[in-house]
Amino acid sequence: NAGVTQTPKFRVLKTGQSMTLLCAQDMNHEYMYWYRQDPGMGLRLIHYSVGEGTTAKGEVPDGYNVSRLKKQNFLLGLESAAPSQTSVYFCASSYWTVEAFFGQGTRLTVV
Amino acid sequence: KNEVEQSPQNLTAQEGEFITINCSYSVGISALHWLQQHPGGGIVSLFMLSSGKKKHGRLIATINIQEKHSSLHITASHPRDSAVYICAVRSTNTGNQFYFGTGTSLTVIP
Repeated sequence: NAGVTQTPKFRVLKTGQSMTLLCAQDMNHEYMYWYRQDPGMGLRLIHYSVGEGTTAKGEVPDGYNVSRLKKQNFLLGLESAAPSQTSVYFCASSYWTVEAFFGQGTRLTVV
Repeated sequence: KNEVEQSPQNLTAQEGEFITINCSYSVGISALHWLQQHPGGGIVSLFMLSSGKKKHGRLIATINIQEKHSSLHITASHPRDSAVYICAVRSTNTGNQFYFGTGTSLTVIP
């Protein structure tokens, strides 16, 4: 089925550990985004990519890195996790003004 | 600053009621999206609008570009409509970023 797939769906990390979240889309979309969703706040953009090999910072990029080596994949890395990074992470993809598609979310807890 | 404002934040309705959720935005946009998120679930796009009005079943979305305002209406609401509804605008700045409202939590009581 066409769509956006995020892995993993749940993860618990200890402070200081690292991890990578994977976002994969099979719709040949140019644009991909990583957001975090926190209670009482709208989704906030962490990083985004407008095409293979390109990335750019969003609203809240500190503590995260990303890579888009292949058009279909957008990776979000946490090098040294902190409790403030406890959140639900969503990946999205779109092609220009075409409707955006969202992944199912990754619930991350940093203890 | 909030580029997208939604109202109300919370809404409780009786089954069968007509529901309206409002969204105002302050940036130039190429499109506006209405999204639905069920508790603990993913986000699903309901509508993408750049002008006028769209209808899917019991859901109707309208947008007024001049007034920078959009509304989502649900006719004959049902408990399965209970979810968070999020307004998102696609800005015309670099990267065509989305800005999101904080969502409207809707509960429909049988």
